[in-house]
Order: sequence, then structure tokens, then C-alpha cells
Amino acid sequence: AQKITQTQPGMFVQEKEAVTLDCTYDTSDQSYGLFWYKQPSSGEMIFLIYQGSYDEQNATEGRYSLNFQKARKSANLVISASQLGDSAMYFCAMSRTSGTYKYIFGTGTRLKVLA
Amino acid sequence: DSGVTQTPKHLITATGQRVTLRCSPRSGDLSVYWYQQSLDQGLQFLIQYYNGEERAKGNILERFSAQQFPDLHSELNLSSLELGDSALYFCASSVATGAEQYFGPGTRLTVT
Repeated sequence: AQKITQTQPGMFVQEKEAVTLDCTYDTSDQSYGLFWYKQPSSGEMIFLIYQGSYDEQNATEGRYSLNFQKARKSANLVISASQLGDSAMYFCAMSRTSGTYKYIFGTGTRLKVLA
Repeated sequence: DSGVTQTPKHLITATGQRVTLRCSPRSGDLSVYWYQQSLDQGLQFLIQYYNGEERAKGNILERFSAQQFPDLHSELNLSSLELGDSALYFCASSVATGAEQYFGPGTRLTVT
């Protein structure tokens, strides 16, 4: 069965520092996608970054990068130069990209950026 | 702004009632997904439609149903509401199954 694990319920980071949010996954599928979403206190879910299972390079989107280690089944999110506006809940998610659709979310990590 | 719209933003209703949540996907997106987010259960996938047809079902109760119309907007119907149905309900859309999803602002349902 597919599973996403986020072991850090909460984290603090100093403004302008980098932070890594952990995500491990379990799947027997060969073709899948990994995603990170941000949910600020206002409640909306914001798509941040995507990594396909066959992508050889780590995905990057501005200050966000995804550290994809396929053999270890990890997909950590790295936020560089943290800003106060990065304080939010972060969810890791996985989707199956072939066969019966399945899309699951982790339990999230609450990040607090300190001034 | 993700381009996905949801109405209403807030809904307060009594147990036993029925409500309809509405979602319009981003322009060009054929897939619509519904999620329920509650404090104790996290974010749960309910159901997916693709171009008017049901594509996948998740943890959707039999009291809940959904449909996607020819103009691609979707509605989620919740009936015989219980206190435990109080949650934030998200709609999301994507250009293809398995692609990144763009979420609407959510409908906060409170059942009293």
C-alpha cells in the first residue's frame, strides 16, 4: 500500500536560514509523482514543487528544491533563505501516474520562521 | 489565486440536513478532485472526476455524492449530515490525472 510519512510535526528556522522538511514514502509502483504543498494559516493549499519518479535531476522552483533519493524513498523539501511568509503547514503528497488513480497526503509539518 | 473557485466559503447547517458544495476548475483542467480536511483525519481524498466521468473513489461516505457537469464544474452533495462531517472541503483541479493539483480556497462546513 502507498504511504507518506512526515516525521516532523513542527519545526523552527531562523529567518534567512535554509530548512529541510522530511518526507519518506512507500510504494510498489514504478511510476509515481511526488509533490509538496504549503498551507498558510489562511487555509488555502498552494502547490510548490513536483518530482516525477523517472526524473534524474532534483526539481527546483525558486527557493524550493526537492531532494529526491529514490533508493531511500525520500523526497525532502529544502527551503533556502527562509522568509517570515514561509511560516505554514507543509504537506508531502504522492500520486500514482499509471493504473488506478491514487493520491495520498502526509500528515504535514508546521514550520515557524523566526525573525 | 489558483484559478479554482469554490462556493460557498462558509456553510453552517444542522445535523440531518443536506448541502451542496460547488467548484469550478481552472480553465483547461479536465480533472476535478474533492478532499476533506479535518483536524483528526488530516487531508482525505474523496473522489475524482475526469471530463464528466467518475475516475476514482477514495474515502467517500455513501451519504456523499458528487458529479461533474458538461461545463466541467463539479458539485459535492453531502446528506444526512452529522457533527463529524464538520471540516474544510477542498476542490482541486489538474490538467491530467497524476499531475500537480491546484486547490480552491475551500468550503468550511460546520454542522451543529
